[in-house]
Amino acid sequence: GQQVMQIPQYQHVQEGEDFTTYCNSSTTLSNIQWYKQRPGGHPVFLIQLVKSGEVKKQKRLTFQFGEAKKNSSLHITATQTTDVGTYFCAGDDYKLSFGAGTTVTVRA
Amino acid sequence: NAGVTQTPKFRILKIGQSMTLQCTQDMNHNYMYWYRQDPGMGLKLIYYSVGAGITDKGEVPNGYNVSRSTTEDFPLRLELAAPSQTSVYFCATTSSSYEQYFGPGTRLTVT
Repeated sequence: GQQVMQIPQYQHVQEGEDFTTYCNSSTTLSNIQWYKQRPGGHPVFLIQLVKSGEVKKQKRLTFQFGEAKKNSSLHITATQTTDVGTYFCAGDDYKLSFGAGTTVTVRA
Repeated sequence: NAGVTQTPKFRILKIGQSMTLQCTQDMNHNYMYWYRQDPGMGLKLIYYSVGAGITDKGEVPNGYNVSRSTTEDFPLRLELAAPSQTSVYFCATTSSSYEQYFGPGTRLTVT
């Protein structure tokens, strides 16, 4: 079955720095979604990417879908304490397969 | 709109007990899901439903049962609780765009 892998599992970032988290699938995806889960909370939808090579931005967050539609990345610039949480990628169609997530902590 | 609601928020069960986790949505979504999330892990799909009267197994269905008699409700049943079922359980629904909306979760401990 489809597997979605995320790296790194943990990301410790100095406030103000940039970082990137990566998502890789064993199969071609029709779309990929990103979610954020704050500590103690529930996953919240961030964005969906559908097209090959698609790039979408949300303020300091940049999401990219690979040309082969088998990988994706989330880049955060100028990390803030509000970025703390776990970021999950998930594919594909109505029965999503979630990655294990990247847990982000921020040093002030 | 309340979105997706789950009850209870917390529960402690003894080994062998049974319970039902409730999930209700008011968004009129056809698709509903149950996930479990173990500490530091991602979400594992337990069961899902594509509409009232239709359910199907996910990745980790053993030890659980579901029913979907209405569009709004999708309860998850644990018949014989085991320590391995200690987890956080999330219910979710999907719009036509596949964006999933999650409930606040039920934190279950089995001792």
